[in-house]
Amino acid sequence: IAGITQAPTSQILAAGRRMTLRCTQDMRHNAMYWYRQDLGLGLRLIHYSNTAGTTGKGEVPDGYSVSRANTDDFPLTLASAVPSQTSVYFCASSASGLVTDTQYFGPGTRLTVL
Amino acid sequence: AQSVTQLGSHVSVSEGALVLLRCNYSSSVPPYLFWYVQYPNQGLQLLLKYTSAATLVKGINGFEAEFKKSETSFHLTKPSAHMSDAAEYFCAVTIASGNTPLVFGKGTRLSVIA
Repeated sequence: IAGITQAPTSQILAAGRRMTLRCTQDMRHNAMYWYRQDLGLGLRLIHYSNTAGTTGKGEVPDGYSVSRANTDDFPLTLASAVPSQTSVYFCASSASGLVTDTQYFGPGTRLTVL
Repeated sequence: AQSVTQLGSHVSVSEGALVLLRCNYSSSVPPYLFWYVQYPNQGLQLLLKYTSAATLVKGINGFEAEFKKSETSFHLTKPSAHMSDAAEYFCAVTIASGNTPLVFGKGTRLSVIA
């Protein structure tokens, strides 16, 4: 059982380029999340999806977009990357989206924007 | 809005010593509280959670935390530190109403000295 997989593991990207971070889960969880982790700031929620076909904005959504075409996949797109988007990005999922649910995290994608 | 404050960005203990990681929360309504752990180069995993049942919560790997409403605290403890406990620990808070997302603290890095 893989749980949550993220791709790529790491990426160096030129500013202005478009980039999609991939996230796939095999647990049939309804809810999925994207966080960014920055030193000294902890994790901040970018976007979330409580079920396939719906998405919502988190704390820091600007410059990012998501889609949830099916239960398993939740890609995060940076339309035009900027250096401030240099971060480690974590995808997570939970069974139902209830606030008491445990969230399961992927291994992360380290993104550097130059 | 909910928030958590983790006191001390870095805590160092000797192997076998007590581990105490501090977390204070701010919430106008009864909170749900979580501790997550992040081992090097991995995603986060749940240690334990408080969801308004017993105030003393036991988690994995010998960790426990006590919800103290009068002190607005949810400190994480372990009686005897192991080398394998070296990691980053995150406290997080949410509330029962709606789809309020988890709000994470900035994290505390635990070092264990042999």
